[in-house]
Amino acid sequence: GDQVEQSPSALSLHEGTSSALRCNFTTTTRSVQWFRQNSRGSLINLFYLASGTKENGRLKSAFDSKELYSTLHIRDAQLEDSGTYFCAAGNNAGAKLTFGGGTRLTVRP
Amino acid sequence: GGIITQTPKFLIGQEGQKLTLKCQQNFNHDTMYWYRQDSGKGLRLIYYSITENDLQKGDLSEGYDASREKKSSFSLTVTSAQKNEMAVFLCASSIWDNYAEQFFGPGTRLTVL
Repeated sequence: GDQVEQSPSALSLHEGTSSALRCNFTTTTRSVQWFRQNSRGSLINLFYLASGTKENGRLKSAFDSKELYSTLHIRDAQLEDSGTYFCAAGNNAGAKLTFGGGTRLTVRP
Repeated sequence: GGIITQTPKFLIGQEGQKLTLKCQQNFNHDTMYWYRQDSGKGLRLIYYSITENDLQKGDLSEGYDASREKKSSFSLTVTSAQKNEMAVFLCASSIWDNYAEQFFGPGTRLTVL
């Protein structure tokens, strides 16, 4: 089965609200990256974590390697946050990143 | 900082044609990658190169060749384009470390008629 399970697959938020995205890993994962893919297809690096939490403005991410999950919290959502969010696991399989299926986020006025 | 450049941005080919995609990075990174993204899906690794002259197969290498001409450039060849194939090919680079952060280029969108 898939090694990275991302949820939800789609999410609609009103401006100013908050929510969380989640990735569950089925195998040992040493690091996680979170990306936002914009409408032109570019992947924007949001976070890289080997453990713990990181915060950048309205975004905060956490990675628990023992419990095999990572989360991305979006606070006070803005229209420009719309896009598809991907998590990717760096695991014992070498240099490969294993991607989740993505969360398509739409922020509405 | 640095950037990754991919050429061309759009590639239209015919069934059976050999097609080459190019990637350049100025991060001075050792390792470069090629991923494929199908519509609405996550990325899958095709090939990667740990350093110049090295080549490693990913999960999706069948039907592709790759070449690491020098440290800053990595090419991918679709050996025989499949009819109605549509995908985006993304190049990435990182320092050499099993779990290093990867940075991505803007992608090449392939359409096969």
